[in-house]
Amino acid sequence: QVQLQVSGPGLVKPSQTLRLTCTVSGGSISSGDYYWSWIRQPAGKGLQWIGRIYTSVSTTYNPSLRSRVTISPDTSKNQFSLRLSSVTAADTALYYCISGAPIIGAFDIWGQGTMVIVSS
Amino acid sequence: EIVMTQSPATLSVSPGERATLSCRASQSVSSTLAWYQQKPGQAPRLLIYDVSTRATGIPARFSGSGSGTEFTLTISSLQSEDFAVYYCQQYNNWPPMYTFGQGTKLEIK
Repeated sequence: QVQLQVSGPGLVKPSQTLRLTCTVSGGSISSGDYYWSWIRQPAGKGLQWIGRIYTSVSTTYNPSLRSRVTISPDTSKNQFSLRLSSVTAADTALYYCISGAPIIGAFDIWGQGTMVIVSS
Repeated sequence: EIVMTQSPATLSVSPGERATLSCRASQSVSSTLAWYQQKPGQAPRLLIYDVSTRATGIPARFSGSGSGTEFTLTISSLQSEDFAVYYCQQYNNWPPMYTFGQGTKLEIK
């Protein structure tokens, strides 16, 4: 059973870069068994897909965030990371890492989420 | 971008009754439609994918239906643990893109 654990700073200054890491257990980020995604949720609001990585090489991003987002793998640690540059208060949210089996298409495994606040 | 619109924003239903939640897509999403349940302080949980397929461990009282642009999640007999926020989501596999509705809060009447 795949499990996901997010780690990273909970506070980021405006204009700086947000960096989060998702550690995967029970599955390999290099295999084709799952898509690995990031989703965020501002407090009291809905869900926004940020982007995904597949087989450690194929990345796709939400067009609205594409210019600021990078998702990258660390296969030696079985992790994938989110980098979001030039953050503003609008990027304050609960950030989730998620996996979804291609055969399902939707997101069937969610990490616990981590709150990131953008503030000086 | 495909926009997903859920209605109503809030639904008040008594335990034991049926709840019907709606989701509309701005263009056809074929059968790539999922439903999630989110309780306070928890991550969302996948309930339904491919319009009507229940995810592992999801009780039979949850059912999904629809096609094209109009979709419905039905909870046949509400239990206390079903009161939560529900999101619909479309998932284009190519090009990959995932968008969510704004959510329906299901509350106890």
